[in-house]
Amino acid sequence: GAGVSQSPSNKVTEKGKDVELRCDPISGHTALYWYRQSLGQGLEFLIYFQGNSAPDKSGLPSDRFSAERTGGSVSTLTIQRTQQEDSAVYLCASSLDGGRNYGYTFGSGTRLTVV
Amino acid sequence: AQKITQTQPGMFVQEKEAVTLDCTYDTSDPSYGLFWYKQPSSGEMIFLIYQGSYDQQNATEGRYSLNFQKARKSANLVISASQLGDSAMYFCAMRQEAGGFKTIFGAGTRLFVKA
Repeated sequence: GAGVSQSPSNKVTEKGKDVELRCDPISGHTALYWYRQSLGQGLEFLIYFQGNSAPDKSGLPSDRFSAERTGGSVSTLTIQRTQQEDSAVYLCASSLDGGRNYGYTFGSGTRLTVV
Repeated sequence: AQKITQTQPGMFVQEKEAVTLDCTYDTSDPSYGLFWYKQPSSGEMIFLIYQGSYDQQNATEGRYSLNFQKARKSANLVISASQLGDSAMYFCAMRQEAGGFKTIFGAGTRLFVKA
C-alpha cells in the first residue's frame, strides 16, 4: 500500500482481556518495527523484524507481549491479560533497509486504553 | 550503553526565525546513524533528516539542517525560517550498527512557533 496501515485506530479493552494489534507495512519494506508511546513520552522500542531473520524482541516489556510477522509482510502484536499500564499508543513502522540511510515510515498508531 | 538526551522539553520561536533543538547521544559503536522526526498534534511520525556517523558534511533537507559535532556527540536540529506549521514534538533518534538496526528515541522537544 501507499503507507503503513495500522488497525484498529482505537481500542478500549477491559483489564485482563487479550488484544491484537495489526500492522500492514509498505509493500517491499523488509524491516518492521513496533514502538510504544505513553502519553507525553518518547518512543519505547518493542520489537524489530528484518526479512527472514529472527526478530529482535529485546524491548518487549513482559512475556504477556508477543508479535509475529507472517510471510514477511503483515505483523500482529498481541498483548495477553492486559493491564492498565499497557495503555499507550502503539506505533508500527517499516523501512527498506533497516533504516540505514532512510528514516522509518510510521503508521498512525493504535491507541489502546485498558479500563 | 546507547542513550539519546533531549534537554529542552519545550521551546518557543517567533515565526520566520531560526531555532535549534538540542540532542546529545552516547554510544561506543563507531558506526551509527542519527535521525530527527516530527510529530504534529495529529500523532503521525514524520521522518525529517538523517546523518551517518561517517558523513563528512552536515545533512540538510530544505529548511532542516543537522549540526553534527561528532567529538561532542551532539546532533542538533536547526530549523530555519520557522513556520506556524512547524509547531510539533520533535524527536532525536539513533540507530547503531552493533546489535542490529534497533533505533532508540529521545524524550522529545515540543516546539511552539509564535505568529
